[in-house]
Amino acid sequence: DAGVIQSPRHEVTEMGQEVTLRCKPISGHDYLFWYRQTMMRGLELLIYFNNNVPIDDSGMPEDRFSAKMPNASFSTLKIQPSEPRDSAVYFCASSWASGGELFFGEGSRLTVL
Amino acid sequence: GEDVEQSLFLSVREGDSSVINCTYTDSSSTYLYWYKQEPGAGLQLLTYIFSNMDMKQDQRLTVLLNKKDKHLSLRIADTQTGDSAIYFCAATSGSARQLTFGSGTQLTVLP
Repeated sequence: DAGVIQSPRHEVTEMGQEVTLRCKPISGHDYLFWYRQTMMRGLELLIYFNNNVPIDDSGMPEDRFSAKMPNASFSTLKIQPSEPRDSAVYFCASSWASGGELFFGEGSRLTVL
Repeated sequence: GEDVEQSLFLSVREGDSSVINCTYTDSSSTYLYWYKQEPGAGLQLLTYIFSNMDMKQDQRLTVLLNKKDKHLSLRIADTQTGDSAIYFCAATSGSARQLTFGSGTQLTVLP
């Protein structure tokens, strides 16, 4: 398996624009997680899915953020409208079991100007 | 909820041992993990320990768990420059056993 695949690796956009980050989990993994990493706040869990169903979105900062998982092999994290404080590295991770080893993607580095 | 704490920085000389410490708050944490993040990359699992163990050794890595004090440590023997990275401690918590990560410890290995 190729591992967790994220795209784009880098995104530079202007404030107010819509940003969509994509993730393909490892085949067979039932759990998918979106994390955000910044220098100030470290690694934050935004939302996670189990069998394509959102289970806990309490980490989503505000209504500008939304995440979907239309099928077992694809998830998106959308920010609309984006703001400079959203600049961060966004990681997707998948796992075959709750509390099990997380497999991380390489991350999407977002810069909002 | 679970709170996981780590020191932010550690510098060691090449060839010395590194010890990275971590504390957590949820005494029911079942698994405790160490992840490594190299520059520009995602986190990769380094090792883990089950809560009924005190120690686990894997080549140059030794994990020590003190359940009473809720203290976890990672010792890297014969530290090499390639070990320079950020090391994250993580603990499972709650009924869903989700992982809570510490802030990460930046390990710098000096030649």
